[in-house]
Amino acid sequence: DAGVIQSPRHEVTEMGQEVTLRCKPISGHDYLFWYRQTMMRGLELLIYFNNNVPIDDSGMPEDRFSAKMPNASFSTLKIQPSEPRDSAVYFCASGPRTPAGEQYFGPGTRLTVT
Amino acid sequence: GQSLEQPSEVTAVEGAIVQINCTYQTSGFYGLSWYQQHDGGAPTFLSYNALDGLEETGRFSSFLSRSDSYGYLLLQELQMKDSASYFCAVRDHNAGKSTFGDGTTLTVKP
Repeated sequence: DAGVIQSPRHEVTEMGQEVTLRCKPISGHDYLFWYRQTMMRGLELLIYFNNNVPIDDSGMPEDRFSAKMPNASFSTLKIQPSEPRDSAVYFCASGPRTPAGEQYFGPGTRLTVT
Repeated sequence: GQSLEQPSEVTAVEGAIVQINCTYQTSGFYGLSWYQQHDGGAPTFLSYNALDGLEETGRFSSFLSRSDSYGYLLLQELQMKDSASYFCAVRDHNAGKSTFGDGTTLTVKP
């Protein structure tokens, strides 16, 4: 398997623009997670899905952030409008339904909002 | 809610043994995991403990004491490539999500 695929790998945008991050999870995994990582705040869980259904979005910072999972093979995280404080590395991870609940992370998208 | 504490930095020399501790306070507990993240890379899963005791995987071992809300990751025969950040993560009993600690940066010196 190719692992979790994320695109783009790097995104530079101006404040106020819409940003869409994409993720293809590992086939057969039940869970999909979106994280944000910064030096100041560490690794934060934004939202996660179970079988394409959003389960917990309490980590989504505000209404500017939205996430969708239209099918088992694809998810998006959208920021509209973007702000400089959104600059971070955004990881998508997927995981099987196992006791360990291990998560497999994608390479991340490094977002810079100027 | 969940809160985890782990040291921010640890330094050790090549060939040595190092232990990275993690204490947690949680409203629900299902298991403790460890992840490794190299600078510029993504976290990768290392180990998982649901029951008390030691789990060994090659040079790495992970320990859990549920009664003490405490666990540790033990790295033996340290190599330069082990320099990375190590995160403990508590799995919520209710679902598939985990809460990650702030990470411990391990520096291995020659």
